[in-house]
Formats: sequence, C-alpha cells, structure tokens
Amino acid sequence: GDSVTQMEGPVTLSEEAFLTINCTYTATGYPSLFWYVQYPGEGLQLLLKATKADDKGSNKGFEATYRKETTSFHLEKGSVQVSDSAVYFCALSETGANNLFFGTGTRLTVIP
Amino acid sequence: DTEVTQTPKHLVMGMTNKKSLKCEQHMGHRAMYWYKQKAKKPPELMFVYSYEKLSINESVPSRFSPECPNSSLLNLHLHALQPEDSALYLCASSQEAGNYGYTFGSGTRLTVV
Repeated sequence: GDSVTQMEGPVTLSEEAFLTINCTYTATGYPSLFWYVQYPGEGLQLLLKATKADDKGSNKGFEATYRKETTSFHLEKGSVQVSDSAVYFCALSETGANNLFFGTGTRLTVIP
Repeated sequence: DTEVTQTPKHLVMGMTNKKSLKCEQHMGHRAMYWYKQKAKKPPELMFVYSYEKLSINESVPSRFSPECPNSSLLNLHLHALQPEDSALYLCASSQEAGNYGYTFGSGTRLTVV
C-alpha cells in the first residue's frame, strides 16, 4: 500500500541556517507529492507540489524535487527564518484516488 | 475565493449534546473531505464526498454523521461523543480525486467534556 516516511523531529535551527527535511514514499502507481505546512493553531496550507518524476516544486524559498529513482521528495530551504517555525507534512496522492497519505510531520523551530 | 471556511473555530460539547460542524467552499471543487487530527499527529481521513455522494467512510463510528447538502457545503453532525473524540477537525476540498492538492480549512477545535 501507499505510505510516506518522514524525518523524525523536532528540528531546531538558527535563523539563516540551511534546512533539509527528508521524505521517502512507497506507492503502487505514479503519485503526486506534496508538502503541507501547519502553523500553530491553524489548518494545513499547501506549500508546494510535484506531479511527476523530476518535477521541482517551489514556493516561499522552499524547494523539493520528485526523485523516482530514490522515491524521495526532500524539502529544502537555503536560509530559514523565525517565521518558518511550524510543522511540515509530506504527503502523496495516487492518480484518481480520493485520499492523501501523510507522513508523521516534522516540527521545525527556528531560533533568532 | 480560494478558501475553505469552517465554523465554528472552537466547540465545547457535553457527551449528550448534538452539534454540527460546517464547511463551505466556492472554488467549484467536486471532492470534499473530513479529517480528524489529534495533537502531534498527522490528519486522519474520516469521510470523502465526490460529486455530493459519500465515496469513502474510513470505518468512522456512527456518532459522526456526514452530510453534503450541495456541492459547496459539507456538514459533520456529532452526537453522543466521547472525550477521546476531542481533536482538530479539518475540512478539505479538491478539484477532483488525486493530483491537484487539497485546500484545507483552518479547522474546528472540538473538546468533549
């Protein structure tokens, strides 16, 4: 079955540090991959997505590349800010399927 | 309008109460979802409506009853809940199944006392 394995947290970084949050997936077909962000007390916001192999999703300085050969979709940002502190969820959805499989989430705290 | 609106934002209810959660979207999305999220956990799928018909029920207890009155509205009726049902309830919508990404509401934080 489909699943997402995400880097355990929490992650604490200093402002302007480089961020990587690892995500790997298992899927039976050709899924679309997503990163969602959840700020404290809020719902989930779509951060970026990629729908096929080698696609790169990007938004707000965050990037992730769909790597079929390593079944990965790692999230990166070159210089994090305090305002990036949140929980980040990696997720996948199969074509034609009505479900979004989430990883366990990674809590990021950025300190000044 | 690119939002999913959920009301109320917070709800406290007793175990004998009946209450409803509401969700609304005006993006023309034809799939709508209810998720339950416990603290420090990812969201778990409860129900999926596709073209206003219930297409997935993830073995949710009957004390949760979903309703989709039209393509823009999704309700979750609550009755005789237990304290362990306290959680953040998230509504989401998508264009159709699969690849487009879901738009989530900000959720209803439910406390059962």
